[in-house]
Amino acid sequence: QQQVKQSPQSLIVQKGGISIINCAYENTAFDYFPWYQQFPGKGPALLIAIRPDVSEKKEGRFTISFNKSAKQFSLHIMDSQPGDSATYFCAASKEGSTLGRLYFGRGTQLTVWP
Amino acid sequence: NAGVTQTPKFQVLKTGQSMTLQCAQDMNHNSMYWYRQDPGMGLRLIYYSASEGTTDKGEVPNGYNVSRLNKREFSLRLESAAPSQTSVYFCAGDSTGSGNTIYFGEGSWLTVV
Repeated sequence: QQQVKQSPQSLIVQKGGISIINCAYENTAFDYFPWYQQFPGKGPALLIAIRPDVSEKKEGRFTISFNKSAKQFSLHIMDSQPGDSATYFCAASKEGSTLGRLYFGRGTQLTVWP
Repeated sequence: NAGVTQTPKFQVLKTGQSMTLQCAQDMNHNSMYWYRQDPGMGLRLIYYSASEGTTDKGEVPNGYNVSRLNKREFSLRLESAAPSQTSVYFCAGDSTGSGNTIYFGEGSWLTVV
């Protein structure tokens, strides 16, 4: 059973546009929701993360919106740039769990056209 | 990705051959992980180690074994490689053990023919 569902699988956006990637989760025990960014040939790297005590977190052009009742969260990339072209993964975990592991979505390949 | 080093970077194996992927970290991570990444499947956890001396199965452990040799090193072994194990493998570490911030290595590209 997939714990975190991510959409769309691929996304093409023009330079300057807004990129939106959505994720949904099942387990209400999850309390940490990071996004990872992966460039070709590299490992994923933490981009931004949110906890459910806030509904939005913004870091530069990247914003996470969180809807606890709907069990959904999304990544918004404002003023998208060609350098943002990468694969993005959402994830979820239960902090403090002795197992302490992340459950990843299947990824979204973002292409930003100049 | 600094701090988590994987070797080899690329490897081609014949079906039935065995090999070990090595991973070492210098970030004092307590927890370490092995993931595989396949197109359209995202990152799937193979095995993890919450602390030195302990290992546990993840989502897709079949065909793999792991060893947490010490706090720094966590190796992944394929005893008898199969074409279905063609994938990109990532080692990762997490200092908190809570999955709060996972640092990934740069990946090992494995092809089984």
